[in-house]
Amino acid sequence: DIQMTQSPSSLSASVGDRVTITCQASQDIRNYLNWYQQKPGKAPKLLIYDASNLETGVPSRFSGSGSGTDFTVTISSLQPEDTATYYCQQFESLPRTFGPGTKVDI
Amino acid sequence: QVQLVESGGGVVQPGRSLRLSCAASGFTFSSYGMHWVRQAPGKGLVWVAVISYDGIDKYYADSVKGRFTISRDNSKNTLYLQMNSMRVEDTAVYYCAKDRRRAAGGIFDYWGQGTRVTVSS
Repeated sequence: DIQMTQSPSSLSASVGDRVTITCQASQDIRNYLNWYQQKPGKAPKLLIYDASNLETGVPSRFSGSGSGTDFTVTISSLQPEDTATYYCQQFESLPRTFGPGTKVDI
Repeated sequence: QVQLVESGGGVVQPGRSLRLSCAASGFTFSSYGMHWVRQAPGKGLVWVAVISYDGIDKYYADSVKGRFTISRDNSKNTLYLQMNSMRVEDTAVYYCAKDRRRAAGGIFDYWGQGTRVTVSS
């Protein structure tokens, strides 16, 4: 199975800050990487697919990059509504696996 | 708009069975792969199973293989998860998720609200 790691596990930042979360795969997953946002008590929401494609309706302050084993998601200007846990997920092979999550607080 | 509504959760004793359902609307259900993903209390997301658009291809996480069965009824726009020989570690919120593609693609573009399953004696 492909193992996914994320760093940091949590962070606290201020409104307007630039925030970057990293995700690393245990082997080459090309660009088969998605990012999800999960707010407390809610279902996850797709933010970015194929490593760098912004899902329709997601604010442009979110962006994704990377390929191979190293990926990042960046929030260019953190907003109060971005308080959530962020998960990366690979779909290069089965089983689909998620990272452990990064909790973002403001 | 796309809606996924899970049901069937509850409290069950270890070793017993439970069947979850996910009613889909707002899209052509028979054209997309569907997944189950679970989340234990206070923990992260764990993929459980996937079924292709036509119900032919099914894949499972090792932790549920042989105990859980994913199925679908395209005439009823409904996804199922039959859970047998349940264990305490199956306790979680179970989400159904639509795939962007027909097969076991892996981009979960819509999620249900989840149904809570508790396995306890």
